[in-house]
Amino acid sequence: ILNVEQSPQSLHVQEGDSTNFTCSFPSSNFYALHWYRWETAKSPEALFVMTLNGDEKKKGRISATLNTKEGYSYLYIKGSQPEDSATYLCASGGGADGLTFGKGTHLIIQP
Amino acid sequence: KAGVTQTPRYLIKTRGQQVTLSCSPISGHRSVSWYQQTPGQGLQFLFEYFSETQRNKGNFPGRFSGRQFSNSRSEMNVSTLELGDSALYLCASSFNGHLGETQYFGPGTRLLVL
Repeated sequence: ILNVEQSPQSLHVQEGDSTNFTCSFPSSNFYALHWYRWETAKSPEALFVMTLNGDEKKKGRISATLNTKEGYSYLYIKGSQPEDSATYLCASGGGADGLTFGKGTHLIIQP
Repeated sequence: KAGVTQTPRYLIKTRGQQVTLSCSPISGHRSVSWYQQTPGQGLQFLFEYFSETQRNKGNFPGRFSGRQFSNSRSEMNVSTLELGDSALYLCASSFNGHLGETQYFGPGTRLLVL
């Protein structure tokens, strides 16, 4: 994998259901994996930064895992709520090299 | 603490003009990065500044430039604007610009080139 890729591109989920989506990134020269939540007309909101293989992070109903050897990360949302509707971005790298972003997963929670 | 602020929020220019966008980082943050978001390309890294020095630049033409001041505020400039420069320009700040540090984003400046 040469670029950061996210799937699916968009997702419709019923309120109350749990969901997850994937971020794939180049596993060579890996430094850090970032997750952001971006609501329309707002600033991207940092969710997690993960650096170690096997890392698991949690923030309320949202959690993320990291596998640096195979180059993927999963983001999980438990019991989706309408306020979870947003675009979720993952990005690799950072620091002076800047972040390399995927194109995002657009999540819509249906009441 | 106040978040990252960007001015102006919206801007309309015509082809051939030049534009300057401003970014004020979170107080105490010394690294500022700039990104361009277009519908087709997603978010792309423009450049990063730390202690008034550009440390890296993404794959953008020389018409895109920037600078950072001693108070860590940053400006980016685009000269000889083209229609394709219409985009949302985001800046992000982090404390030391280290790998693994969270980058905090501003709300962006939306530029329309006519």
